Amino acid sequence: GENVEQHPSTLSVQEGDSAVIKCTYSDSASNYFPWYKQELGKRPQLIIDIRSNVGEKKDQRIAVTLNKTAKHFSLHITETQPEDSAVYFCAASLNTGGFKTIFGAGTRLFVKA
Amino acid sequence: DVKVTQSSRYLVKRTGEKVFLECVQDMDHENMFWYRQDPGLGLRLIYFSYDVKMKEKGDIPEGYSVSREKKERFSLILESASTNQTSMYLCASGERGRNEKLFFGSGTQLSVL
Repeated sequence: GENVEQHPSTLSVQEGDSAVIKCTYSDSASNYFPWYKQELGKRPQLIIDIRSNVGEKKDQRIAVTLNKTAKHFSLHITETQPEDSAVYFCAASLNTGGFKTIFGAGTRLFVKA
Repeated sequence: DVKVTQSSRYLVKRTGEKVFLECVQDMDHENMFWYRQDPGLGLRLIYFSYDVKMKEKGDIPEGYSVSREKKERFSLILESASTNQTSMYLCASGERGRNEKLFFGSGTQLSVL
């Protein structure tokens, strides 16, 4: 079945540095790739998403890139701030009438002040 | 704002008990999902539903069942709870169609003793 692998599992950066999280997916029919941020004790919330007909999308300090051929997509956070510290989940969504969203295992990002 | 409400934040049950986890959304979303979240494993899909009385198995449906009698309500049922079902359970809802953004509930931390 569909599988999403996410790396690294933990990432520690200095405030102001960039952070990159990478994911790969197995089902080439996946057509929607969201990223969710989960702060400690809170629910996951969508921060950015990209569709299979787009190669890159940017929203202020965060950007996502997609390589359909390689089935890779990545999250880039620039000028990191302590409030960026959270667990980040990538996901791949497959429309099967309804849609099925499969998540990666998550990356715990620590931003050191 | 979309609201996805899970009936309990914390729940403690005994092995063998039948457990009901309830989820209600107020945005008339067609799609609803149940995930369980475990450290290092991310969010794993248990069941999802894209219409009333419709259900689809996710990646880990064993030991669970679901019920969707009304559009706004999606229930997860543990027929006979076991200790390996101790976990955080997250409900989510989303629109059908191009916008596949998921809205999550606050989660239910279930402990099975």
